[in-house]
Amino acid sequence: GENVEQHPSTLSVQEGDSAVIKCTYSDSASNYFPWYKQELGKGPQLIIDIRSNVGEKKDQRIAVTLNKTAKHFSLHITETQPEDSAVYFCAGRAGGENKLTFGTGTQLKVEL
Amino acid sequence: NAGVTQTPKFQVLKTGQSMTLQCAQDMNHEYMSWYRQDPGMGLRLIHYSVGAGITDQGEVPNGYNVSRSTTEDFPLRLLSAAPSQTSVYFCASSYMSDQETQYFGPGTRLLVL
Repeated sequence: GENVEQHPSTLSVQEGDSAVIKCTYSDSASNYFPWYKQELGKGPQLIIDIRSNVGEKKDQRIAVTLNKTAKHFSLHITETQPEDSAVYFCAGRAGGENKLTFGTGTQLKVEL
Repeated sequence: NAGVTQTPKFQVLKTGQSMTLQCAQDMNHEYMSWYRQDPGMGLRLIHYSVGAGITDQGEVPNGYNVSRSTTEDFPLRLLSAAPSQTSVYFCASSYMSDQETQYFGPGTRLLVL
């Protein structure tokens, strides 16, 4: 099955700076990579996703990049704001499977 | 739409007790799943279902049972709770044709003493 590793486990940035979270996956046939944001006391919420036929995707201050050769993908948040403080999870779906495999999460703290 | 709902929000059990965590969705999603979230371990899949009457095991199924008698409901049963089952449990659902976008419920926090 798929194995997803996520780094760093914690990340602290100053407001207005950029934040980058990186994930690697094991199954070269994986074709879908979502990112979820989890605020305190709530369930994870999808913020952006990317499929294996695309190298980069942007949505306002959030972008995701995918390197299929190296089997890693990254979340980029620009101009960070205090409301970006949360736990972020990456995930991957192995080819031919329904289920997602999640990374271990990154606690992002945006300091004023 | 209420989305994905879970009850209860919080539960305390004694070792050996049984209970059922409820999950319901009103989006007519075929795919439903249960995850547990533990510190430093992310979200781990317990069981999942691709439709009424069909269930399968995930990464950590031991100690848990599920059933799917309707499209809307996917309860998770703990037959004999153990302290190792102390965790936060999330239910999620999605369409099969677009199963990638999984919608999560608010979670149930379970403490087993």
